[in-house]
Amino acid sequence: DSGVTQTPKHLITATGQRVTLRCSPRSGDLSVYWYQQSLDQGLQFLIQYYNGEERAKGNILERFSAQQFPDLHSELNLSSLELGDSALYFCASSVAGTPEETQYFGPGTRLLVL
Amino acid sequence: DAKTTQPNSMESNEEEPVHLPCNHSTISGTDYIHWYRQLPSQGPEYVIHGLTSNVNNRMASLAIAEDRKSSTLILHRATLRDAAVYYCILLHMYSGGGADGLTFGKGTHLIIQP
Repeated sequence: DSGVTQTPKHLITATGQRVTLRCSPRSGDLSVYWYQQSLDQGLQFLIQYYNGEERAKGNILERFSAQQFPDLHSELNLSSLELGDSALYFCASSVAGTPEETQYFGPGTRLLVL
Repeated sequence: DAKTTQPNSMESNEEEPVHLPCNHSTISGTDYIHWYRQLPSQGPEYVIHGLTSNVNNRMASLAIAEDRKSSTLILHRATLRDAAVYYCILLHMYSGGGADGLTFGKGTHLIIQP
């Protein structure tokens, strides 16, 4: 158990819909990362937050957005969903978001878009 | 971003040492070398990381070449639970001290034979 929690575990929805994925970092961690893992693209970094502020952006689509709240939990919002958005979405956290730190990954949310 | 090259798959016998190679010939001076692994149906898990010197922890050892253009992850005594995809990742430090998220390649699929 990494200490990072993600809800829900599974999500099934239809094309065109919007969903919100939630992540609670490990106690004491200020930085949160979101990753997407699909069969064809592998594991891709989407976005990073540190203490409520966006710090780095990866391959995140414009239809996707995220935020980190004052209590440090984070939400990833996916809108206008397409079949290709079906994937595992992982959240990770680290203390300060620096490159020498370990990132601790949650168990993931499996999204299926029908 | 500096890229890494790993063999697609490797096979080893249980209770024998495993050496997983990684080439990163375009590494820059502030790039940290991280290794993560992903067991089936789980999120990625930190294994080890280093900058210039060899590193040891309870899970593995990391041997870094003197020119830093390659590294080797060493599992001293593989068990069936070590069967996973192992990712070698370079994490670049920006001038402000921050870093991007992890860029996962295809990794090495490690198969352990009983």
